[in-house]
Amino acid sequence: AQSVTQLGSHVSVSEGALVLLRCNYSSSVPPYLFWYVQYPNQGLQLLLKYTSAATLVKGINGFEAEFKKSETSFHLTKPSAHMSDAAEYFCAVTANTGTASKLTFGTGTRLQVTL
Amino acid sequence: EAGVAQSPRYKIIEKRQSVAFWCNPISGHATLYWYQQILGQGPKLLIQFQNNGVVDDSQLPKDRFSAERLKGVDSTLKIQPAKLEDSAVYLCASSLWVDGYTFGSGTRLTVV
Repeated sequence: AQSVTQLGSHVSVSEGALVLLRCNYSSSVPPYLFWYVQYPNQGLQLLLKYTSAATLVKGINGFEAEFKKSETSFHLTKPSAHMSDAAEYFCAVTANTGTASKLTFGTGTRLQVTL
Repeated sequence: EAGVAQSPRYKIIEKRQSVAFWCNPISGHATLYWYQQILGQGPKLLIQFQNNGVVDDSQLPKDRFSAERLKGVDSTLKIQPAKLEDSAVYLCASSLWVDGYTFGSGTRLTVV
């Protein structure tokens, strides 16, 4: 079974500051890991994914995440926050079994960006 | 390519009424998922189809929820009778491979 834990349900940063959203995973098999963003009244948009290639993954809108097996972590970062980054962010995990399987999501982190 | 289509976009019903949601996945995607997202929570899987067969429905409240996938393409999710706690966004997603998921915009259900 797989699960993810997102530390911090709300994170507030100033515009231009570093964004760090934390995600720790648990998986009995090698995982695939994902970060999604959700804007109000919209669906889920994929930011980036780890699929057992490079451990440092770059995504859209300047976001990146690093897979650290020793720490079972997949934290999301962005060097400089923009007002448009304010949204809900979800970390998700699935099993790397070679066939499509369900995504298991964390509880989400709401990012607030202030002037 | 076209995305995952869902309808309706919004629905308001009274408790004990029935409601149905429709999803059209990306063409060629064999796997289809229905997720329930309650306000302030992450999406929770309700049911997973592989073609027109059910792979996982362990979290589906079968006394009131049902789902089918016609000919391995479109899918419908039904709730009968609805309860207040069913108020949520219902997301449909499809995938071809294990690392490629596409989500629809969702149906926001309000039960009053």
